[in-house]
Amino acid sequence: GENVEQHPSTLSVQEGDSAVIKCTYSDSASNYFPWYKQELGKRPQLIIDIRSNVGEKKDQRIAVTLNKTAKHFSLHITETQPEDSAVYFCAASRGRALTFGSGTRLQVQP
Amino acid sequence: NAGVMQNPRHLVRRRGQEARLRCSPMKGHSHVYWYRQLPEEGLKFMVYLQKENIIDESGMPKERFSAEFPKEGPSILRIQQVVRGDSAAYFCASSPQSGGPGTSGTGSYNEQFFGPGTRLTVL
Repeated sequence: GENVEQHPSTLSVQEGDSAVIKCTYSDSASNYFPWYKQELGKRPQLIIDIRSNVGEKKDQRIAVTLNKTAKHFSLHITETQPEDSAVYFCAASRGRALTFGSGTRLQVQP
Repeated sequence: NAGVMQNPRHLVRRRGQEARLRCSPMKGHSHVYWYRQLPEEGLKFMVYLQKENIIDESGMPKERFSAEFPKEGPSILRIQQVVRGDSAAYFCASSPQSGGPGTSGTGSYNEQFFGPGTRLTVL
């Protein structure tokens, strides 16, 4: 089955700096790669996603890149703000169940 | 348009009791997924259902766990004879349809919307 590795497990940045989270996947048939933000005690919320026919997608301060050949994808958050502090999960899917990474705890220091 | 609903939000059971977790998908969504999240860990897929059908239960423990999504009413995840290791947050997610092999890759067919979760504590 699919296996998703996520790094780093924790990330601390100063407000205004950029944050990058990286994931690799194992199943070359995976074609959908969402990113979720989860605040303490809350539900995972989709923040951006990308499909295998696209190499990059941007939504305001958030961007995701996908390298199908290398089977890795990354989340980029620019101009970080304290409210970006949360746990971020990457996931991969071939159309049905999501396989999640282990999460990255992002702390944005004011 | 109400989001995915789950109840109860918190459930406390003693070892050996049964736990029933309910999930009502978003309006118009016919696909339901259940995931389990242990403390400080990621979400693990358990089961994928459509109305009246279990499509994929590869992540479900073979014993004590069952799931259903009847024609009428919410999807239910049932855990019999709970043990302390069952303590976790159980999230369900719904999607309008599934994008299987050959799907064009456009639209939001894969997007899964999560409910608030049920936090199960086994004493």
